[in-house]
Amino acid sequence: IAGITQAPTSQILAAGRRMTLRCTQDMRHNAMYWYRQDLGLGLRLIHYSNTAGTTGKGEVPDGYSVSRANTDDFPLTLASAVPSQTSVYFCASSPTGTSGGAEQFFGPGTRLTVL
Amino acid sequence: GQNIDQPTEMTATEGAIVQINCTYQTSGFNGLFWYQQHAGEAPTFLSYNVLDGLEEKGRFSSFLSRSKGYSYLLLKELQMKDSASYLCAVRDSNYQLIWGAGTKLIIKP
Repeated sequence: IAGITQAPTSQILAAGRRMTLRCTQDMRHNAMYWYRQDLGLGLRLIHYSNTAGTTGKGEVPDGYSVSRANTDDFPLTLASAVPSQTSVYFCASSPTGTSGGAEQFFGPGTRLTVL
Repeated sequence: GQNIDQPTEMTATEGAIVQINCTYQTSGFNGLFWYQQHAGEAPTFLSYNVLDGLEEKGRFSSFLSRSKGYSYLLLKELQMKDSASYLCAVRDSNYQLIWGAGTKLIIKP
């Protein structure tokens, strides 16, 4: 079934630990995104990639890093987790990042708790 | 700064019509999106407007006025399954989506 998968579904993490959230899409979309969603706030863009091999910073990039080695995978790494990174993380993709009305397709999300 | 405003919560009756408003102030405009998000799930695409006017898609319609920085989502013949949050998002001059906090719609029988 075509779509976006994320792993893990949920995770409890001790502060200071390193964590990588995985995201894979099989739609051959060029653009991919990482968002965090917190209660009472809109989705906030962390990092994005308009095509394999390139990445860019979003609204809230501090404490996070990404890589885009190929079209399908877009992992998000927290180098040293802090409690303020407790959130629901969504990965999304779209056919293109910079033109048209291309919608973004979202993965099921990862619920991360940092203690 | 960039800002998207939506009501936090609305209540409507099954079978009725509801209009969810969205106002925006962004650096540039390259389209406005509406998404639906059920509790505990991912957002799913509903509509896209880039020109002024009304776009109709079944029971859902979306309207845009670029001069007023205003959009609304109209839901007709409400069903219990329409209980969800509705997210307004504007694509800015950098082609990034700026998201509102969402409107939680509660449908009562």
